[in-house]
Amino acid sequence: DAGITQSPRHKVTETGTPVTLRCHQTENHRYMYWYRQDPGHGLRLIHYSYGVKDTDKGEVSDGYSVSRSKTEDFLLTLESATSSQTSVYFCAISGGETQYFGPGTRLLVL
Amino acid sequence: DQQVKQNSPSLSVQEGRISILNCDYTNSMFDYFLWYKKYPAEGPTFLISISSIKDKNEDGRFTVFLNKSAKHLSLHIVPSQPGDSAVYFCAASVQTGANNLFFGTGTRLTVIP
Repeated sequence: DAGITQSPRHKVTETGTPVTLRCHQTENHRYMYWYRQDPGHGLRLIHYSYGVKDTDKGEVSDGYSVSRSKTEDFLLTLESATSSQTSVYFCAISGGETQYFGPGTRLLVL
Repeated sequence: DQQVKQNSPSLSVQEGRISILNCDYTNSMFDYFLWYKKYPAEGPTFLISISSIKDKNEDGRFTVFLNKSAKHLSLHIVPSQPGDSAVYFCAASVQTGANNLFFGTGTRLTVIP
């Protein structure tokens, strides 16, 4: 298994509060990704990073920001959580051809 | 707009028989295709991939077939085992290693012992 951990694994928060999810890798891979999984949509890319301090938007980036200050850590921030951001969030890493996924964070926004 | 479609939400197969999971795509620029398997409360696990220069790729019990003219790919699992019961996602990108993977909605496979 690729060395990817996500924290927290579960979180319940209230609308309007900020939330930060963390992805940590031990593989020293250049590329890191944040996806969300929702019924009827599969997985959709939120943001990705191609190096320290280098990030770009994905398909569903509105309402999310990311930061990568170290190779091993990629943070996803919901500045002001909304109920539509209730989802399961997956981090992925890649050193080239294939993306490998973390275990996921289940977020509930009340 | 879903560019990768898995039109069968679920599939049940007897143990030992063949499982065939299907995937269609609309974007003719897609050049690289992957299948992931997902168990409950876990992240997707990479299973097998194929690039558009091939029409078949095999890895043990798993074979992926690609028909570019029909914009269709399929995953064959032979023989199916109870441990194969999971949700299978098809994904596509415009090139190998591209950052944006487009996923289908998944097919839940149940292998009946």
